[in-house]
Amino acid sequence: SQTIHQWPATLVQPVGSPLSLECTVEGTSNPNLYWYRQAAGRGLQLLFYSVGIGQISSEVPQNLSASRPQDRQFILSSKKLLLSDSGFYLCAWSVWGLGDRETQYFGPGTRLLVL
Amino acid sequence: ILNVEQSPQSLHVQEGDSTNFTCSFPSSNFYALHWYRWETAKSPEALFVMTLNGDEKKKGRISATLNTKEGYSYLYIKGSQPEDSATYLCAFSNTGKLIFGQGTTLQVKP
Repeated sequence: SQTIHQWPATLVQPVGSPLSLECTVEGTSNPNLYWYRQAAGRGLQLLFYSVGIGQISSEVPQNLSASRPQDRQFILSSKKLLLSDSGFYLCAWSVWGLGDRETQYFGPGTRLLVL
Repeated sequence: ILNVEQSPQSLHVQEGDSTNFTCSFPSSNFYALHWYRWETAKSPEALFVMTLNGDEKKKGRISATLNTKEGYSYLYIKGSQPEDSATYLCAFSNTGKLIFGQGTTLQVKP
């Protein structure tokens, strides 16, 4: 069966510090991978998605970036965090090739607080 | 800008009550509509994916309907139980990506 892992679970970082959140998927090959954020009082917002190694699409302009160095690894990064980066970050995967009719499966999430 | 609206924002019901909430989405270029349940301290869990106008899906006491011509979907919960307490998210897709509504948070009191 497929499993998705995210770490860390919780993170408190000062403004201006770097960020690295990691997501890995087990039990499937060549998945579509996604990063979402839920800011306080807002819905889930798609940040990045990837259909393959090294292929990243960005949905919103921001000081975050994403990378996919391996098939089942997706990393969210920032060089300098802003207060507005606080929120709950979710990684998700779906089966490659079936488009948006396919269910997305979410990881446990990382709660980030920037102070 | 594609917008997905859910109403109500929150709902408090007594155990045993039946309830329903609404998801409104753009009716043009429809591809799929997803419903997820998100319990506190857990990951969002997929409930339904609906693609055809008039689709009705059911999972236990939870069911959903879809009207793509007018751009809405209803989620129904029959005989709510405390374990149904969660945020229910709908997500619309037409370009390979999901656009989520803000969710309806349901609290079921024993």
